Amino acid sequence: LAKTTQPISMDSYEGQEVNITCSHNNIATNDYITWYQQFPSQGPRFIIQGYKTKVTNEVASLFIPADRKSSTLSLPRVSLSDTAVYYCLVGVFSGGYNKLIFGAGTRLAVHP
Amino acid sequence: DSGVTQTPKHLITATGQRVTLRCSPRSGDLSVYWYQQSLDQGLQFLIQYYNGEERAKGNILERFSAQQFPDLHSELNLSSLELGDSALYFCASSVVGAAEVNTGELFFGEGSRLTVL
Repeated sequence: LAKTTQPISMDSYEGQEVNITCSHNNIATNDYITWYQQFPSQGPRFIIQGYKTKVTNEVASLFIPADRKSSTLSLPRVSLSDTAVYYCLVGVFSGGYNKLIFGAGTRLAVHP
Repeated sequence: DSGVTQTPKHLITATGQRVTLRCSPRSGDLSVYWYQQSLDQGLQFLIQYYNGEERAKGNILERFSAQQFPDLHSELNLSSLELGDSALYFCASSVVGAAEVNTGELFFGEGSRLTVL
């Protein structure tokens, strides 16, 4: 299983763009990259998922270079409500063996 | 609302006791995952079930067990409880096909907060 490495914490200010990078050097060919957001005492919430290049949805963008050994979650113009822990996961969902491991995550603090 | 229901939301018990946490996955989801999150810690994967069968095991203690029933709800049984078992226990579900490689996302419940005194 691919192990992920993220910064432990990040600080930003309202209105700024935040980029959180995740390293996954031993990502496998079939692995997808998924990001989750978690607020205190709540279950994690899916943000975005991608396999290669760039994926964008209404809340974030995900940039994945050609070698796929890292990925960057980009949150445009953050607000105070984006203060949360962000987790990067690498894996594949199948009917067979799944063992979805969350890393320590990145604790993002957005300041006024 | 993720569609995943967990009960009870809060549970306080004493050391040595046994508790059962229940999870109802989203309608149509075949896979159920259990995670443990201690105070200010990350999410520890415990176990996964797919359509009633155990599919993957993580750092689940021998004092803990789980199962998924024919109606797809799942229960996590925690026995001989210790102070260190106090945590939030999350259940998640996903749509996972039997044969295909599916990159479906996980939908988490709001968790069951267990306090062992």
